[in-house]
Amino acid sequence: GESVGLHLPTLSVQEGDNSIINCAYSNSASDYFIWYKQESGKGPQFIIDIRSNMDKRQGQRVTVLLNKTVKHLSLQIAATQPGDSAVYFCAENPYYKYIFGTGTRLKVLA
Amino acid sequence: EAGVVQSPRYKIIEKKQPVAFWCNPISGHNTLYWYRQNLGQGPELLIRYENEEAVDDSQLPKDRFSAERLKGVDSTLKIQPAELGDSAVYLCASSTRPKGLAEPDSPQETQYFGPGTRLLVL
Repeated sequence: GESVGLHLPTLSVQEGDNSIINCAYSNSASDYFIWYKQESGKGPQFIIDIRSNMDKRQGQRVTVLLNKTVKHLSLQIAATQPGDSAVYFCAENPYYKYIFGTGTRLKVLA
Repeated sequence: EAGVVQSPRYKIIEKKQPVAFWCNPISGHNTLYWYRQNLGQGPELLIRYENEEAVDDSQLPKDRFSAERLKGVDSTLKIQPAELGDSAVYLCASSTRPKGLAEPDSPQETQYFGPGTRLLVL
């Protein structure tokens, strides 16, 4: 995909609202997908994953949706909190190669 | 439980100098990854180890980068000589990946990342 370099897409959400972060993946052979959260100065942190035999998976306040037809992944965060502010990456895993997307910066407005 | 440990956290060197990064994975994790993350981008895989064997080094620039995991635990990543374009964050991750292709209902893998080493080449 096209790199956006320093200009990360940014999603600004009011505290308490729901957030939806989208991701397009590229490899039809990918059978495992993961969402990571990365705070400034830290490594990515696992949030939730999903296998290609599922189209939805729920965690605590987070839901991942997978649409294999259009190669689209989304992360929904319910009742967004200030601590959710971070950069979110999706990753696909074809043949055990982890391929990360560009990332989306989530800003939570008080 | 201690997470993935990396050192140093920051390194500033002049171009053409060598540099090395060290990673101690989570105890019991047989799979270890090194990634490079440029500013504003997602991590890019450099090399993956299963125990002491490098099973995927296809994206490692072998002219100047080398890595080792001699006893299947700690790992080092070296750059010699460093170039200006090597400035980035170098991330280490570990997991308990099952060998071979996972069965559809097998446990999901979770990759745990260290805090990274931020390298600046001047």
